[in-house]
Amino acid sequence: GQNIDQPTEMTATEGAIVQINCTYQTSGFNGLFWYQQHAGEAPTFLSYNVLDGLEEKGRFSSFLSRSKGYSYLLLKELQMKDSASYLCAVNYQLIWGAGTKLIIKP
Amino acid sequence: EAQVTQNPRYLITVTGKKLTVTCSQNMNHEYMSWYRQDPGLGLRQIYYSMNVEVTDKGDVPEGYKVSRKEKRNFPLILESPSPNQTSLYFCASSPPGGFGYTFGSGTRLTVV
Repeated sequence: GQNIDQPTEMTATEGAIVQINCTYQTSGFNGLFWYQQHAGEAPTFLSYNVLDGLEEKGRFSSFLSRSKGYSYLLLKELQMKDSASYLCAVNYQLIWGAGTKLIIKP
Repeated sequence: EAQVTQNPRYLITVTGKKLTVTCSQNMNHEYMSWYRQDPGLGLRQIYYSMNVEVTDKGDVPEGYKVSRKEKRNFPLILESPSPNQTSLYFCASSPPGGFGYTFGSGTRLTVV
């Protein structure tokens, strides 16, 4: 079957770095997306990886290893506003993980 | 402002009463999609549309209908809603290639 696994919840401290992992098993692969979703709001697009390696965008970076079916989202210099769920999706966003709820503590 | 507009934001209805959730985008996107989001399950695709008059089923299409008569609009129709369709619904659109969806604000539907 096709599925995506992410940790359900993570906690980190303001100013620190956190890595959110995503593993996937799919028939075929067309790219991996990361989204941020604040409680009660719509998801907003963060990043897209289709080739192996690290893509950096400000405080956020996303990594992909296609051979391992693995990605991570790295958040640096955490701020309280980063408290949200982070969703991983593959293949034109047909398949989604359940999301990782990130809690930032002062 | 580039956006996807969904209406209504909140809806409580009774079992069996037909309803339509509207979705409109102003970005001239070809690709539009409907999702439902339930706790612990993540987003699940209901239907998608590659362009006008082209629609196809996603993972969970049972009990739903869609139409794409114009590029900007992609309504979701529940002909006979049931309580298991109580959920948070999102409409989304993207340009060709699937890069980065823009989501609507969501519709929280309760069927009693």
